[in-house]
Amino acid sequence: GAVVSQHPSWVICKSGTSVKIECRSLDFQATTMFWYRQFPKQSLMLMATSNEGSKATYEQGVEKDKFLINHASLTLSTLTVTSAHPEDSSFYICSARYRTGPQETQYFGPGTRLLVL
Amino acid sequence: KNQVEQSPQSLIILEGKNCTLQCNYTVSPFSNLRWYKQDTGRGPVSLTIMTFSENTKSNGRYTATLDADTKQSSLHITASQLSDSASYICVVSDLYNTDKLIFGTGTRLQVFP
Repeated sequence: GAVVSQHPSWVICKSGTSVKIECRSLDFQATTMFWYRQFPKQSLMLMATSNEGSKATYEQGVEKDKFLINHASLTLSTLTVTSAHPEDSSFYICSARYRTGPQETQYFGPGTRLLVL
Repeated sequence: KNQVEQSPQSLIILEGKNCTLQCNYTVSPFSNLRWYKQDTGRGPVSLTIMTFSENTKSNGRYTATLDADTKQSSLHITASQLSDSASYICVVSDLYNTDKLIFGTGTRLQVFP
């Protein structure tokens, strides 16, 4: 199956710093990637849809200036958490849309755990 | 409001036993229904994906069923193994917005020896 990687797998940072998370589709091209966050024992919540070569589409309540998304190539999307605060501590998961003929699905990355001190 | 509800919320079984997880949804019309397995601290991994015209789909010891009339799906795990301990998430996509996945809250399965 299609493989999506994320880097780093975990990160600890001080409050006020910025953190960049990378999402890569390793063996396919993805014009569309998605960023989710997940709090303990809760479902994944879609934050934004990342489109290659254009601006990301953010879900309601997600701050664009806080969570910067860049989808510069067909295999890479980045999420930058700017001026991180403890409440931004969460599990961030990306996914990439994968099409085979008429069927499409999303393959998820392994996630990045962010802890802001 | 489109919803996906799963039951039970958590389940404990002994190794080697079978179990069935349930998913009810109100998304209509829907494009497809997927079951994912999520290990703690990991991203979801796809187990099965079914369109509205499919009734069953198997992937090894995992068998998913779908009844589009009653809007119910189930995931049956046969001969459970310790490595099956994880959260199992039912996900439905809207026909008119296939990118927007509607996640169930998951069933936390624990398999004990």
